[in-house]
Amino acid sequence: AQSVAQPEDQVNVAEGNPLTVKCTYSVSGNPYLFWYVQYPNRGLQFLLKYITGDNLVKGSYGFEAEFNKSQTSFHLKKPSALVSDSALYFCAVRAPAAGNTPLVFGKGTRLSVIA
Amino acid sequence: SQTIHQWPATLVQPVGSPLSLECTVEGTSNPNLYWYRQAAGRGLQLLFYSVGIGQISSEVPQNLSASRPQDRQFILSSKKLLLSDSGFYLCAWSARGSRTDTQYFGPGTRLTVL
Repeated sequence: AQSVAQPEDQVNVAEGNPLTVKCTYSVSGNPYLFWYVQYPNRGLQFLLKYITGDNLVKGSYGFEAEFNKSQTSFHLKKPSALVSDSALYFCAVRAPAAGNTPLVFGKGTRLSVIA
Repeated sequence: SQTIHQWPATLVQPVGSPLSLECTVEGTSNPNLYWYRQAAGRGLQLLFYSVGIGQISSEVPQNLSASRPQDRQFILSSKKLLLSDSGFYLCAWSARGSRTDTQYFGPGTRLTVL
């Protein structure tokens, strides 16, 4: 069975500091991994995904994520946080053998960037 | 480009009343379609997904149902709403046949059952 864990319910970071939102996964085989962001009362917006190739994936709004197979992690990062980055972030996974099935989402991490 | 619409944006309904939420996708054909519910601004609960007209998979047994009367239309319904049906309902689509493809979400419908 596929699963994804976001161990932190809340992450607080000062504006201008680097940020990391953690995600670990459990799947059979090589995973397909995704990050989404949700602003209040809005739908989820796609940020980036890892399918294959370079372990460092760059996405929208200056975000990037690093796939680490040995640690089964896919942490979201940004070198310098903005107050406007404050939102709810979701990690998601799909196993290659899962066919055309829905993504499995983590419970979300609320990021608060303090000015 | 593809767009996904949901309506209404907000809805306040009394307990026991019926429900119909609509989702439509433009700019693509044969999409996979999904309904999620989000309670209290946190995790997503997958309710239904569909890989084609009339093909609905239910993930959670409850008083909700889904239908797909047209290729790009996905409807979430209930005959009698419960207080616990309150939440933020999100529709999503992805390209059929692609395991690597992204799911794209609509703007959501905020449902309050009183």
